[in-house]
Parts: sequence; structure tokens; C-alpha cells
Amino acid sequence: LAKTTQPISMDSYEGQEVNITCSHNNIATNDYITWYQQFPSQGPRFIIQGYKTKVTNEVASLFIPADRKSSTLSLPRVSLSDTAVYYCLVGDLRGGYQKVTFGTGTKLQVIP
Amino acid sequence: KAGVTQTPRYLIKTRGQQVTLSCSPISGHRSVSWYQQTPGQGLQFLFEYFSETQRNKGNFPGRFSGRQFSNSRSEMNVSTLELGDSALYLCASSGASGGPVDTQYFGPGTRLTVL
Repeated sequence: LAKTTQPISMDSYEGQEVNITCSHNNIATNDYITWYQQFPSQGPRFIIQGYKTKVTNEVASLFIPADRKSSTLSLPRVSLSDTAVYYCLVGDLRGGYQKVTFGTGTKLQVIP
Repeated sequence: KAGVTQTPRYLIKTRGQQVTLSCSPISGHRSVSWYQQTPGQGLQFLFEYFSETQRNKGNFPGRFSGRQFSNSRSEMNVSTLELGDSALYLCASSGASGGPVDTQYFGPGTRLTVL
């Protein structure tokens, strides 16, 4: 299983861009990188997923370098409602989610 | 489209009792997975059911079991509850196309407290 390392916590002011980096040195060829957001007492919510280079959707961007040993979730112009825990997952989903590791997550605190 | 629903949302039990949690997946989803989330261990995979069969299993003792019905609804059972079983139990469903981009959609969870 690919082990992931993320910062435990981050603070950011409202309106700023936030970049959360996840390290996954032993990522395998078939592994995808997925990011989830979780609010207290709620289930995780899918944000974005990618395999290589850059992926962008309406809420975030995901940057993956050529060696794929790390990835960066970018949240543009955060607001107070973006205060949550963000999880980076690395794994081959074809085998089911038991092969995917949820890391400890990064607790993002957005400050007014 | 309605999301994943879990019942009950909160539950208090005492040691030694057993508990059954229920999960209704998104309509059309055939895969249901269960997770345990605690402050110390984070999110840990319990098991996954697909078309009424357990397809994958995490590293939990046999006290934790589950099943899936023909309508894809799933139940999770924990017998002989221990204090350490206190956690948020999350259910997630997916279309389970088998592809590498199979997104899981999580329910709100059931908060179990064991006294």
C-alpha cells in the first residue's frame, strides 16, 4: 500500500489560495491520487482525482509532477466554509478500497 | 439523486451488547463499503459488499460483520461491543464499474458510543 504523508494542519486567510501537498514516494504504476474533504461529524466528500499532470474542476486543481511521488491540492480563494480536514488517498481502485490508504489528513483552518 | 443514508445517526450501547447499523446506497450503486473512523486511527476500511457478496475485507476481528441485500442496502453488525468500538461508522457507495476512477460517496455516518 502506498503510504501518504501530509501536513497535520494549515492556517490560511480568507480569499487566499491554499496548496496542500501530499507525499507518496512508493506510489505504484496503477495507483490514482484522490482527495477528499471532511467536515466534523460528516462523511468525506470527493473533491478531485488524477493520475498525472494537472486536473482541474469547479472547486480545486490537482498538480502531479512527472515522477508522481507527490501531489498538490490547490484551493483557490478559500472561504470560511472550506475549513475542514483534507485527505489524500493513493491506490488502485480496481482492487477495491481496501487497497487505498486514508492518511491522517490535513486540518485546514480558514481565518477571517 | 438522493445521497447515501445511514441509520441511526447516533447510538449508545454498553459493553457486551451487539449493534446493527444500516446503510442505503445511492440508487443504482451496487458497491457498499464500511469504514470506522476514530481520532487515534483515522479512517480504516472494514469491508466492501458488491451484489450481496463480500468482495473485500479489512483487518478487523470477526466481531465485525456485514451483509448486503438484493436492493443493495447494507447492514453492519458488531457483536460483543468493546469500549474501543466507539467511533464514527461510515458507509460509502459507488457504481463499482471496476475502473480505477471509481468514486465513493460517503454517508453522514453513525456515531456509536460504547459505555
